[in-house]
Amino acid sequence: KAGVTQTPRYLIKTRGQQVTLSCSPISGHRSVSWYQQTPGQGLQFLFEYFSETQRNKGNFPGRFSGRQFSNSRSEMNVSTLELGDSALYLCASSLLWGGDEKLFFGSGTQLSVL
Amino acid sequence: KNQVEQSPQSLIILEGKNCTLQCNYTVSPFSNLRWYKQDTGRGPVSLTIMTFSENTKSNGRYTATLDADTKQSSLHITASQLSDSASYICVVSAVDGNKLVFGAGTILRVKS
Repeated sequence: KAGVTQTPRYLIKTRGQQVTLSCSPISGHRSVSWYQQTPGQGLQFLFEYFSETQRNKGNFPGRFSGRQFSNSRSEMNVSTLELGDSALYLCASSLLWGGDEKLFFGSGTQLSVL
Repeated sequence: KNQVEQSPQSLIILEGKNCTLQCNYTVSPFSNLRWYKQDTGRGPVSLTIMTFSENTKSNGRYTATLDADTKQSSLHITASQLSDSASYICVVSAVDGNKLVFGAGTILRVKS
């Protein structure tokens, strides 16, 4: 059974640009959540999607957005990139949504903003 | 404020030795506590998940304990191996809002 797939693996962008990251969940999983990981802040929750609807949202500015498609695949978009957006972006999938679900993480997309 | 604090920040041990990592939390109302292992350049992998009623859970050489009264958890690694070198992250789930609160992690390095 294939795991969670994130693409691309690495990205280099410049300030002011926008970026779209992709996440394909484990087959049969209907929930996808996104996280930002930096050395200084650790893992921080961005948002969670289930059945194409955002169910939960963390404390990030509106420049961070996401969506989920009918096949459960999800994309995350960051507009007007800032230097501080440089981070490892992880997505995780689970069967259902909510705090009791076991999460399966992808290997992440390493974003560098220059 | 919901917080999860882990100690130590980093740890170096010799191969074959045991070690214990600590996690203190103030998340309320509590739903469950998880330990994850994250290898460099990879996503976290779940080791254990414990609910309020569970005070011990094992996964091979990894044993997690939970004291819900003192809001403390520990992860004990027995007979460490070089492959145990990783970051170990404690995560607590709050019932209210279904949100996860992450600790900053403990970086473990096992030396031969």
